[in-house]
Amino acid sequence: DQQVKQNSPSLSVQEGRISILNCDYTNSMFDYFLWYKKYPAEGPTFLISISSIKDKNEDGRFTVFLNKSAKHLSLHIVPSQPGDSAVYFCAASEGDDKIIFGKGTRLHILP
Amino acid sequence: DTGVSQDPRHKITKRGQNVTFRCDPISEHNRLYWYRQTLGQGPEFLTYFQNEAQLEKSRLLSDRFSAERPKGSFSTLEIQRTEQGDSAMYLCASLTPKETQYFGPGTRLLVL
Repeated sequence: DQQVKQNSPSLSVQEGRISILNCDYTNSMFDYFLWYKKYPAEGPTFLISISSIKDKNEDGRFTVFLNKSAKHLSLHIVPSQPGDSAVYFCAASEGDDKIIFGKGTRLHILP
Repeated sequence: DTGVSQDPRHKITKRGQNVTFRCDPISEHNRLYWYRQTLGQGPEFLTYFQNEAQLEKSRLLSDRFSAERPKGSFSTLEIQRTEQGDSAMYLCASLTPKETQYFGPGTRLLVL
């Protein structure tokens, strides 16, 4: 039973354009959402988070949008850069409990 | 380096052997988590500690797995009688006061 779903295993985006990664969740008790980036053979690196009391959080080129009624969040990267090529994990937690991860989306930034 | 560290980074072992991994969290983080990641999956929760107390264990953590955090600082994860299905990346994370988990580089285990 996947509580956090990333339905796109991979995504290719032209350098300089916007990358949009999507995530859906099923547990309405989740109140904290995170995006992690992962390179091969490394641990996940925290990118950005959002609390359920907000609908948008921005940090530089990264913006996370949360739509609680649809149980959907998205990560926007603009402009996309070659170094953004990695696997992106959407994750959610209830309070400071364990994090539940999606299966990830592999982002390819094309030159 | 003030990040989460894990040792070893890689471990190859034969089926049936015991292995132990170590995690040193960011100092002053009183919560420490262990996750496992297999190919094509996101990290899956195994267990976590609040200081030295182990507060929750996933059903993924069979009797062959044991984790400790004796002094509330570093933690160890031991797998006894390893099986090929144990091959995975084992990740440790510690929790900041703002409730963001920061991960170590992981230990990649291969059981032959």
